[in-house]
Formats: sequence, C-alpha cells, structure tokens
Amino acid sequence: GENVEQHPSTLSVQEGDSAVIKCTYSDSASNYFPWYKQELGKRPQLIIDIRSNVGEKKDQRIAVTLNKTAKHFSLHITETQPEDSAVYFCAASASNDYKLSFGAGTTVTVRA
Amino acid sequence: DAGITQSPRHKVTETGTPVTLRCHQTENHRYMYWYRQDPGHGLRLIHYSYGVKDTDKGEVSDGYSVSRSKTEDFLLTLESATSSQTSVYFCAIRGNTEAFFGQGTRLTVV
Repeated sequence: GENVEQHPSTLSVQEGDSAVIKCTYSDSASNYFPWYKQELGKRPQLIIDIRSNVGEKKDQRIAVTLNKTAKHFSLHITETQPEDSAVYFCAASASNDYKLSFGAGTTVTVRA
Repeated sequence: DAGITQSPRHKVTETGTPVTLRCHQTENHRYMYWYRQDPGHGLRLIHYSYGVKDTDKGEVSDGYSVSRSKTEDFLLTLESATSSQTSVYFCAIRGNTEAFFGQGTRLTVV
C-alpha cells in the first residue's frame, strides 16, 4: 500500500519568513496530493491540492510543488503569520482505489 | 462545513466492552473513511468504504470492524476495547477529490 513520509515533524519560523514541508510517497499510481491544516482542537481542513498532471499550484501565500519522477511533493508558505501556526498533513491517493493515506504531520510554530 | 457529523463526540468506556462510533453524512458522497489520530502518528487509516456494503481495511484495522448499510452512515466498532485504542477518531467523506472531516470523537478506554 501507499506509504507517505513527511518532514520535518516540527518547524519553527520567524513571522514573515517562509516555511517548507516535504513529503515523499511510494505508490507510483498516486495521482492526487492534498495538504490539510489542523488547528488545535479542530478537524483537518484542506488548504491546497495538486494532481499529477500539474507540477506546481499557488494560492496566495501557499504553493505546492510536485516531482513525479522523484515521488515527492512540498508545501511552501511565504510571509508566514501567527495564524499559520498549526499542524499540517500531506496525503496521497490513487484513482484506482481512492484510499487516502496521510503523512505523520508537521507542527508549524510562527514566532512573533 | 460539509454535512458530516460524528457521534458521540466524547466517550469513556471500560476495557473489554464493545464500542460503536457513528459517522453520518448528508452529501451523498461515495467514499467514507475512519482514521485515528495519535501524537507522532498523524492520521492513520483504519477502514474505508467505497459504497454501500463495500469496505476495505486500512493500515491499522486490527481490533476494528465497520459497516455501511446505507450511503449516509458508516459505523466503526471496537469489538473489545483496549487501552491502546484510546485516541481521537475522525471520519471523513469524499466525492471525487477533496475529503471533508467530521469533528472527531475522543475515546478513552479505562
């Protein structure tokens, strides 16, 4: 089955700096890669996703890049703000089984 | 928020007792999932369903069973609860792409 690895497990950045989280996946059939943000005590919520026919996608201060050959994808947050402090999860899914497998999560802390 | 609710939201139960958690959706989505969330492990898939009566195991399915007799309901049963099953359980629903999560159920096995 799919194995998603996520690094780092914790990340502390100064407000205004950038944050990068990296994930690798094992199943070459995976073609959908979402990122979820979970604030303390709340449910995970989708912040951005990318499909395997696209190499990069941006939404304001958030971007995701995908390297299919190397089987890794990354989340980039620019100009970080205190409200970006949360746990971020990457995930991968293949269209042939729709199983959605998550990484272990990255706790991001933005220092004021 | 997508129409997904979990019940109960909190439960304390004793070791060895059966427990059933319910996930209910109003979105008519085909796919439903049960995850558990533990510190350091992220979201681990227990079981998932791709249609009525169609279910499959995830990576941590031992000690759990599921049933889906209707599109809108996906039940997770701990057959004989153990302390290692103390966790926060999330249900998720999914159409073609984005998955939406329920509010979570905090289960404590004492």
